[in-house]
Amino acid sequence: NAGVTQTPKFQVLKTGQSMTLQCAQDMNHNSMYWYRQDPGMGLRLIYYSASEGTTDKGEVPNGYNVSRLNKREFSLRLESAAPSQTSVYFCASSEYSSGEQYFGPGTRLTVT
Amino acid sequence: GESVGLHLPTLSVQEGDNSIINCAYSNSASDYFIWYKQESGKGPQFIIDIRSNMDKRQGQRVTVLLNKTVKHLSLQIAATQPGDSAVYFCAEKRGYSTLTFGKGTMLLVSP
Repeated sequence: NAGVTQTPKFQVLKTGQSMTLQCAQDMNHNSMYWYRQDPGMGLRLIYYSASEGTTDKGEVPNGYNVSRLNKREFSLRLESAAPSQTSVYFCASSEYSSGEQYFGPGTRLTVT
Repeated sequence: GESVGLHLPTLSVQEGDNSIINCAYSNSASDYFIWYKQESGKGPQFIIDIRSNMDKRQGQRVTVLLNKTVKHLSLQIAATQPGDSAVYFCAEKRGYSTLTFGKGTMLLVSP
């Protein structure tokens, strides 16, 4: 099993550009999450999907949208990137929303 | 607001020593706690968890202690190895809420 995979690993955007970060898990988990991690800070939840067909805002949702494409895939979209969105983005999944989360390797995004 | 925090941002130990990483939480309603390890350039990796109806749980070389009276969580690593060098995060949750992560403690192990 690959676990949680994310693409791309690195991305540089100009202010105003859009992009979609992809995430997939092969553990048949019901819940999926998107976090951002900034230097010296912990992980902050952007959006999550407790189960296929549902999505909810986390702590820092502004500037982002998500799509739970199917049970395996959960994408994060930046419609108009801003320098404040420069960060490392992690996707995670868990069997249920109350359980242990497994993380992907991260996407390092720089917005200039 | 309610949050999870860590006492020490950096902990330096010698190889073979025991390490203790501390975490304070402010919400007495939290009922589930997790410790994660994050190596440089990688995603967080689950180490051990504990529920609020327990005060101690042991894994391989790791022990988590929960003191609900003072809202304190600690991770003990026995016989610390250079491969243990990483950032360690505690996280907490309440019921069906999502996890809230602390800022992390960096553990540096020197040979």
